[in-house]
Amino acid sequence: DGGITQSPKYLFRKEGQNVTLSCEQNLNHDAMYWYRQDPGQGLRLIYYSQIVNDFQKGDIAEGYSVSREKKESFPLTVTSAQKNPTAFYLCASSTTGTGGAGELFFGEGSRLTVL
Amino acid sequence: SQQGEEDPQALSIQEGENATMNCSYKTSINNLQWYRQNSGRGLVHLILIRSNEREKHSGRLRVTLDTSKKSSSLLITASRAADTASYFCATGGGSNYKLTFGKGTLLTVNP
Repeated sequence: DGGITQSPKYLFRKEGQNVTLSCEQNLNHDAMYWYRQDPGQGLRLIYYSQIVNDFQKGDIAEGYSVSREKKESFPLTVTSAQKNPTAFYLCASSTTGTGGAGELFFGEGSRLTVL
Repeated sequence: SQQGEEDPQALSIQEGENATMNCSYKTSINNLQWYRQNSGRGLVHLILIRSNEREKHSGRLRVTLDTSKKSSSLLITASRAADTASYFCATGGGSNYKLTFGKGTLLTVNP
């Protein structure tokens, strides 16, 4: 079945370590997104990519990095520079066309806890 | 900064009642979307309404959009316990594909 797969579902990290969250889609979507969700904060956009080899910062990009070498993949690295990385991370993808972003398809999320 | 803001933050109703959630935004948009999230899960798309549309229906869902007031509402009719979830509005505008979410409304439907 088509969809978005995020891994791992749960991840624990020690302070000072970088971690990479995986996001893979087989929907043939051009656009991909990373959001962070904290309790009571809703979803905040970290990075998004409209096409392979191109990506833009969202509202809270500091301390994060991404790459988009393949259409299907958009991994997110949480670096040691991110001061408060404990959160629920959601990856999404959508088609592109006129009229802005279409329907987003979300993965099931990755919950990162810093010990 | 977040574009959409939902109201109320939390809503508790009985099964069979209607639930109405509102979303306000600040800048011009191409479309407005509503999503649902069950606790600890990813979001699921419910409905998309374009800036030139005023009302849209999908099953028990009815969405309205008032661009002059920069607001939208989501109505869920004849609610069920299974409708218990958080509901988010999301807005996109301009020539890019950035989509910004609000903080959500937590709906609890009591059996």
